[in-house]
Amino acid sequence: DIQMTQSPSTLSASVGDRVTITCRASQSISSWLAWYQQKPGKAPKVMIYKASSLESGVPSRFSGSGSGTEFTLTISSLQPDDFGTYYCQQYISYPITFGQGTRLEIK
Amino acid sequence: EVQLVESGGGLVQPGGSLRLPCAASGFSFSSHWMGWVRQAPGKGLEWLGNINQDGSGTHYVESVKGRFTISRDNAKNSLYLQMNSLRAEDTAVYYCARVPYDGNAYYDYWGQGTLVTVSS
Repeated sequence: DIQMTQSPSTLSASVGDRVTITCRASQSISSWLAWYQQKPGKAPKVMIYKASSLESGVPSRFSGSGSGTEFTLTISSLQPDDFGTYYCQQYISYPITFGQGTRLEIK
Repeated sequence: EVQLVESGGGLVQPGGSLRLPCAASGFSFSSHWMGWVRQAPGKGLEWLGNINQDGSGTHYVESVKGRFTISRDNAKNSLYLQMNSLRAEDTAVYYCARVPYDGNAYYDYWGQGTLVTVSS
């Protein structure tokens, strides 16, 4: 199974900050990676797919990059609504696996 | 508008069974792979399995193989998760989700989730 490891586990940042979350795969997954945002009590929402493609309706301050085993999700200018937990997910092969999550708090 | 609505959650005893339906609307259900993901209280997301468009092909995570079965009824626009031999560690919110494109098994739409509690 492909292990997905996110860092940091928790992140506290201020409105307007540039924020970066990292996801590492235990083996190459090419660009088959998605990022989700989840708010408490709600279902996850896809933000980025295929490592760098922005899902329709997602603000352009979100971007994804990387390929192979190292990926990043960047929020260029943090907004109050961006709080929540972010998960990466690989879908190059079964079983599909998620990272453990990064909790983003707004200072 | 794409909608996925899970139901059927509740309290079940260890060793018991439960079937979770997921009603789909607003899209061509029979054209999409579908999947189930769960989230234990305070924990991360765990993928359970996917099913192809006509139900002839499934994939499961090892931890539920032989206990959980994913099926679908395209005539009823419904997805199902049959869970048998339930354990305390199966306590979680269960989500159904849609795969947007063949060969791209991420999820673009999710249901609101249904809580399953396994306890005596």
